[in-house]
Amino acid sequence: DTEVTQTPKHLVMGMTNKKSLKCEQHMGHRAMYWYKQKAKKPPELMFVYSYEKLSINESVPSRFSPECPNSSLLNLHLHALQPEDSALYLCAISQFNGNYEQYFGPGTRLTVT
Amino acid sequence: EDKVVQSPLSLVVHEGDTVTLNCSYEVTNFRSLLWYKQEKKAPTFLFMLTSSGIEKKSGRLSSILDKKELFSILNITATQTGDSAVYLCAVEKGDMRFGAGTRLTVKP
Repeated sequence: DTEVTQTPKHLVMGMTNKKSLKCEQHMGHRAMYWYKQKAKKPPELMFVYSYEKLSINESVPSRFSPECPNSSLLNLHLHALQPEDSALYLCAISQFNGNYEQYFGPGTRLTVT
Repeated sequence: EDKVVQSPLSLVVHEGDTVTLNCSYEVTNFRSLLWYKQEKKAPTFLFMLTSSGIEKKSGRLSSILDKKELFSILNITATQTGDSAVYLCAVEKGDMRFGAGTRLTVKP
């Protein structure tokens, strides 16, 4: 089984707060991804890390700051978010970036008040 | 502009029916097409297709890709209530672009 864990499962934060989402995998997969999914919409790619280096940033506002401290961990730092940033944030991994299937974590449901 | 279009957007069937879900795409640098099933939480991987005309099967689910006509279909035979979900098609092209999904409801 491909296991991707995400913490926390739910997060409520105010617009002035700073919080972080965490994603962890122990599959040795070298590509890790952050997606944002609004209700009844498909996931939208935010960031791609390949070999712990940021390779794609899909024009995401700077109030979202990704970090990949090692090959097992991916963080998403949140600061000064807006209510419209409320969504399900999904982490995904794939063996390498490119022509490989991606496996998703369970997601963090974020509410910005 | 890249497009991934799924049809129908929603579908209601009864248990035992066979369904066909469609995904058409117009993307540059196409590498592969993937199908996912999403229930309440994260999408779960079903199939990855890279070559035309080769059917992939997993139990009652099967899928095929036509790279000339730029589409894929996902078939589900003998549907069950547990098949109720949103089925997402995605195209991998260096990044991943999802279609809007087909919401399938299977009634007992």
